[in-house]
Amino acid sequence: GQSLEQPSEVTAVEGAIVQINCTYQTSGFYGLSWYQQHDGGAPTFLSYNALDGLEETGRFSSFLSRSDSYGYLLLQELQMKDSASYFCAYGSNYQLIWGAGTKLIIKP
Amino acid sequence: GAGVSQSPSNKVTEKGKDVELRCDPISGHTALYWYRQSLGQGLEFLIYFQGNSAPDKSGLPSDRFSAERTGGSVSTLTIQRTQQEDSAVYLCASSFKAGYTGELFFGEGSRLTVL
Repeated sequence: GQSLEQPSEVTAVEGAIVQINCTYQTSGFYGLSWYQQHDGGAPTFLSYNALDGLEETGRFSSFLSRSDSYGYLLLQELQMKDSASYFCAYGSNYQLIWGAGTKLIIKP
Repeated sequence: GAGVSQSPSNKVTEKGKDVELRCDPISGHTALYWYRQSLGQGLEFLIYFQGNSAPDKSGLPSDRFSAERTGGSVSTLTIQRTQQEDSAVYLCASSFKAGYTGELFFGEGSRLTVL
């Protein structure tokens, strides 16, 4: 079958670093994407890994290991505005299959 | 337009009524997707359009759901004889080309409440 697993909730302190893990199970795979969604808002794209390794975009980095069916999103220098839900999603042909999301709670 | 536009933003309807949800994608984006999101959940794929064609309708939950796209642009998702379990946020997304599953551009969604 097709599925993704990610923690339901992660808590961190402002200014710290947090890692959100994502494991997946699928027969077809076209890359792992990460999206951010604030309460009541639309998902917005953060990053995409088609190949193994680390992709860095400012304070956010994303990692993929296809052999381990595993990826993570790393957020550095956390700011209060980073409080949101983070979704991993993998590409399967023309669509994205989504995890249930990780709610990131940031404390001052 | 500058972004994906969806209407209505909120819709409250009575059980058994029909509803239409509209999506206006980013100009030039050939691929259009409909997703459904229940509170605290991930996104559930409903249907995908490449141009005006829908190669995959397998995500539609029942035959009460239908969608069309005209002129390679605006899409309408129709839910007939709405049920309470249809209550959710319906999100539309577009991308420049089919098969590119990295970045989708989402609208703000249509929140449907069925009483």
